[in-house]
Amino acid sequence: RKEVEQDPGPFNVPEGATVAFNCTYSNSASQSFFWYRQDCRKEPKLLMSVYSSGNEDGRFTAQLNRASQYISLLIRDSKLSDSATYLCVVLMNTGFQKLVFGTGTRLLVSP
Amino acid sequence: SAVISQKPSRDICQRGTSLTIQCQVDSQVTMMFWYRQQPGQSLTLIATANQGSEATYESGFVIDKFPISRPNLTFSTLTVSNMSPEDSSIYLCSVAAAGGYNEQFFGPGTRLTVL
Repeated sequence: RKEVEQDPGPFNVPEGATVAFNCTYSNSASQSFFWYRQDCRKEPKLLMSVYSSGNEDGRFTAQLNRASQYISLLIRDSKLSDSATYLCVVLMNTGFQKLVFGTGTRLLVSP
Repeated sequence: SAVISQKPSRDICQRGTSLTIQCQVDSQVTMMFWYRQQPGQSLTLIATANQGSEATYESGFVIDKFPISRPNLTFSTLTVSNMSPEDSSIYLCSVAAAGGYNEQFFGPGTRLTVL
């Protein structure tokens, strides 16, 4: 089983749609969780950290379910500029700050 | 967040040669990391580079193939040695954010093609 699993997509949605991405992780001792965004031929950029209580940043909402080892990202009112690959990232509890990346979910927002 | 630069941004190399990639940060950071992103895949951690100690390598990566230097708190290098076409990849350095939440920020990457 992969340490971090995501649906690779692509998700094709029209502008204004709401889209949700899911992610599962295998290590129950994982402590920190993140969503990164990666545009084509660019480096990953931190979109948001995922807190235990869930958190929202504008159109983006992240949720964490520790019991199910499940993380989600909800994007409301999709914009063309949201088209990118969204990476689910988990900090492994190895004594070092080891981030483990999912394979990413590709989002294409069309006019 | 820190400003991170990498040199070169891209290179095309012959098999059997070596390439050293530089990573420069505009502030002092304790932990720096080197990742590889192979075509169409996600990022894989190669090693953690701490100043004043040997780098810590992940399973599948060895010092002879990927020697790392960390001479100070703002700079690190990764060398890809005795390259083969399978080493064609994007190599990225990252730094851990200051404070307590363990985010990492990435440099722009070095796109390496080995012929």
